Amino acid sequence: GAGVSQSPSNKVTEKGKDVELRCDPISGHTALYWYRQSLGQGLEFLIYFQGNSAPDKSGLPSDRFSAERTGGSVSTLTIQRTQQEDSAVYLCASSLVQGPYGYTFGSGTRLTVV
Amino acid sequence: SQQGEEDPQALSIQEGENATMNCSYKTSINNLQWYRQNSGRGLVHLILIRSNEREKHSGRLRVTLDTSKKSSSLLITASRAADTASYFCATDENGNKLVFGAGTILRVKS
Repeated sequence: GAGVSQSPSNKVTEKGKDVELRCDPISGHTALYWYRQSLGQGLEFLIYFQGNSAPDKSGLPSDRFSAERTGGSVSTLTIQRTQQEDSAVYLCASSLVQGPYGYTFGSGTRLTVV
Repeated sequence: SQQGEEDPQALSIQEGENATMNCSYKTSINNLQWYRQNSGRGLVHLILIRSNEREKHSGRLRVTLDTSKKSSSLLITASRAADTASYFCATDENGNKLVFGAGTILRVKS
């Protein structure tokens, strides 16, 4: 597609429920990144994919967080048993290849856990 | 981990003035990038400067990099109200991923 697409754009969920966030990167971009941004804060790295593999998962906050990527394209970030501290904007980005290239970001998913 | 630290945290200027934002980082880098974010959503890539470059221009943007001081600056000349946004520097970490600073909030008053 023309840009990075994320869905849903907004999600309100009850504490304890599971949520799935989706990212469609730019076609042909092999590298895909997930970041989290709490209100008024900088971006916190979560995980990145090169193709379908995730060489660096170091930013996932707990084992309630997981992500996968299939077909070298769409990625899903899953948060199980959501907590209020999970409320944030979840941003996905892709780049042509891993390395010194600018990222193209999606508009993010604003997750609110009530 | 947070690599880049922007300074100032917030900046308010009049339209037509220049805006300068600074970024400091801790480890060695291959490149440093600047991004803009409007309304707390997606970031837009502005400019990338490699570690062997000292200065780079793009339109009204000028970026400098001093690897000896581990610092960079972003200058926006002749600012416009539309430049109002948050600006982030980001450095590559082990060439794998970008690590972002906390950002500078720029407000340009018309």
